[in-house]
Amino acid sequence: AQSVTQLDSHVSVSEGTPVLLRCNYSSSYSPSLFWYVQHPNKGLQLLLKYTSAATLVKGINGFEAEFKKSETSFHLTKPSAHMSDAAEYFCVVSDSGGYNKLIFGAGTRLAVHP
Amino acid sequence: SQTIHQWPATLVQPVGSPLSLECTVEGTSNPNLYWYRQAAGRGLQLLFYSVGIGQISSEVPQNLSASRPQDRQFILSSKKLLLSDSGFYLCAWSTDTGPYEQYFGPGTRLTVT
Repeated sequence: AQSVTQLDSHVSVSEGTPVLLRCNYSSSYSPSLFWYVQHPNKGLQLLLKYTSAATLVKGINGFEAEFKKSETSFHLTKPSAHMSDAAEYFCVVSDSGGYNKLIFGAGTRLAVHP
Repeated sequence: SQTIHQWPATLVQPVGSPLSLECTVEGTSNPNLYWYRQAAGRGLQLLFYSVGIGQISSEVPQNLSASRPQDRQFILSSKKLLLSDSGFYLCAWSTDTGPYEQYFGPGTRLTVT
C-alpha cells in the first residue's frame, strides 16, 4: 500500500533563508507525487507534481522538489523564504487503488520570521 | 480555464439540523469529484468520491451522504448534524486521465453548535 510520511510537523525559518520540507513515500509501483500548500481557512493549492519525467520538478512561487527513488524521498525546497510562504504544506502520493485517489501526509506547518 | 466553486463559505448550524453543501466545477467535462473533511489541527479525510453522474463511493461510514445530480455538481448532505461534523469541508476535482492531481475549492467552514 502507498503511504507518505512528512518528517517534520513544524518548520521555522527566517525570511530570506532556505526552506526544506521533508517527505518520504512508500509505494509498490512508480508513483505520482505532489506538494500542496494551504493558507489558513483556504483550499489547497497545487505547488508541483512529479509524474516520472524529470526528477527535479519546479513549481510555483520558487518552490522545487527532487524525486529520489533510491531514498524514497520527495523533499520540497525553496532558496529564499518569504513571509507569504507561511502556511501548511502537504506531501501527497497517488493511490494505486484506482479512481485517482490521493494519500495525504499529515502536513508540515511552515513559520517564517522576519 | 477550470474553476471550482463551493458555497456557502461559512455555516453555523445547530445539532440535529440538516446540511447541504454544494460544489460546482466549470471548464471541464466528466471530472472525478471528491469531498474531504479537515478537522481542526488534523489532515484531510476523504469522505466521498464520484467518477460520474449518480456514482458515489463512500470512504467513511457516517451520517453524511453525497449526490451528483449533474456532471459538474457535487452535493454533500446530512439529515441530522452531529457536533463531530464540525470542520472544514473541501471539494476537489480531477480529470479522468492521468496524472490525477486534484484541484480544490475554497472550502466551507461548518460549525455545529
